[in-house]
Amino acid sequence: ETGVTQTPRHLVMGMTNKKSLKCEQHLGHNAMYWYKQSAKKPLELMFVYSLEERVENNSVPSRFSPECPNSSHLFLHLHTLQPEDSALYLCASSQTGQGLNEQFFGPGTRLTVL
Amino acid sequence: GQQVMQIPQYQHVQEGEDFTTYCNSSTTLSNIQWYKQRPGGHPVFLIQLVKSGEVKKQKRLTFQFGEAKKNSSLHITATQTTDVGTYFCAGPVTGANSKLTFGKGITLSVRP
Repeated sequence: ETGVTQTPRHLVMGMTNKKSLKCEQHLGHNAMYWYKQSAKKPLELMFVYSLEERVENNSVPSRFSPECPNSSHLFLHLHTLQPEDSALYLCASSQTGQGLNEQFFGPGTRLTVL
Repeated sequence: GQQVMQIPQYQHVQEGEDFTTYCNSSTTLSNIQWYKQRPGGHPVFLIQLVKSGEVKKQKRLTFQFGEAKKNSSLHITATQTTDVGTYFCAGPVTGANSKLTFGKGITLSVRP
């Protein structure tokens, strides 16, 4: 499946580094999402962008900074992360406003913070 | 807040056995979705149920939406090793249809 792509697929970073995760959707959807998936925890919704406007910020620490320059691209900028931020970061997209609002997920970025 | 619950989180079955899991919401849902995540993979949409009491089938998988639209079930007939993975249910957040609340998922393992 290539509807939603994410880069990089794996990332190891130190606590003082700055990095960015990239997501691109090729489905013409109008909403994009960042989720965090840790072991033993459900999918945690971090940010939602609908029509390029951020409509959700679920009390995410400021060391995570999202950016949505257009409806096809979504970034997650990372700086001064903590080891507990190590997780799988999943991007998803959907077409809202219609009956079927399934979310299409990207393959994820496996992040390890040392 | 709105919760979607899936218990237990893990289940092990012998290949060929049937498997049923349930999903319960603290609120009435306009619809419910099911996703499957294979080991090392990402969640993939399986199905959406909208109507009260709705039943949908996909090959050996049967999905049902409860009459009160607060619970759902997934039944797999004659499990196969390809059924291994984590199955999540999700419901739209009340008043915010673009967002989903996911359950913790149930991880199914199948002994060959």
